Amino acid sequence: EAGVAQSPRYKIIEKRQSVAFWCNPISGHATLYWYQQILGQGPKLLIQFQNNGVVDDSQLPKDRFSAERLKGVDSTLKIQPAKLEDSAVYLCASSFVGQGQETQYFGPGTRLLVL
Amino acid sequence: GDSVTQMEGPVTLSEEAFLTINCTYTATGYPSLFWYVQYPGEGLQLLLKATKADDKGSNKGFEATYRKETTSFHLEKGSVQVSDSAVYFCALLNYGGSQGNLIFGKGTKLSVKP
Repeated sequence: EAGVAQSPRYKIIEKRQSVAFWCNPISGHATLYWYQQILGQGPKLLIQFQNNGVVDDSQLPKDRFSAERLKGVDSTLKIQPAKLEDSAVYLCASSFVGQGQETQYFGPGTRLLVL
Repeated sequence: GDSVTQMEGPVTLSEEAFLTINCTYTATGYPSLFWYVQYPGEGLQLLLKATKADDKGSNKGFEATYRKETTSFHLEKGSVQVSDSAVYFCALLNYGGSQGNLIFGKGTKLSVKP
């Protein structure tokens, strides 16, 4: 079974530029999550989708971050404009609703550096 | 709100040593508890989990027991290998308190020397 795919793996941009990350979850997984992992910390949830609807985006900085999952499959996370403090690894995860959302499967992450 | 506290690293051990990484949590209700592992350059992988009090999760020689009385979920392994070198994250999932998303600790880096 293919895992969660993410691209790109690495991205370097200057502050005030925009950037987008892509995630393709495991086939059949209705729930998709985006996490931000700052160096030396555990991942923090940014947004959770159930199919193409948002379940929780309470920790998403909506003035600069946006995310969509238009067809209920793959998802895009965008930052515009980026700030230095956005440097982090952005992790995508997915889970199967039937498992009670308990087991989340993570992708390899996108490492973002903002200069 | 819900939170997870795990021992700070880095932890450096010799091969075949005994490993304990402490994890305690604060949560309302009855959360599920997890240990995730992150190998260098890779994403997070589920190592083990426990969904109710006194449950023991185990995988690849690692074990952790859900202790509600002490709100703990300590990770143990009897004999570590060099290949166990990674960052270990304790996490909880509490549907009531956090709408079903994982709350992670800060992670503990383990280095095993030959």
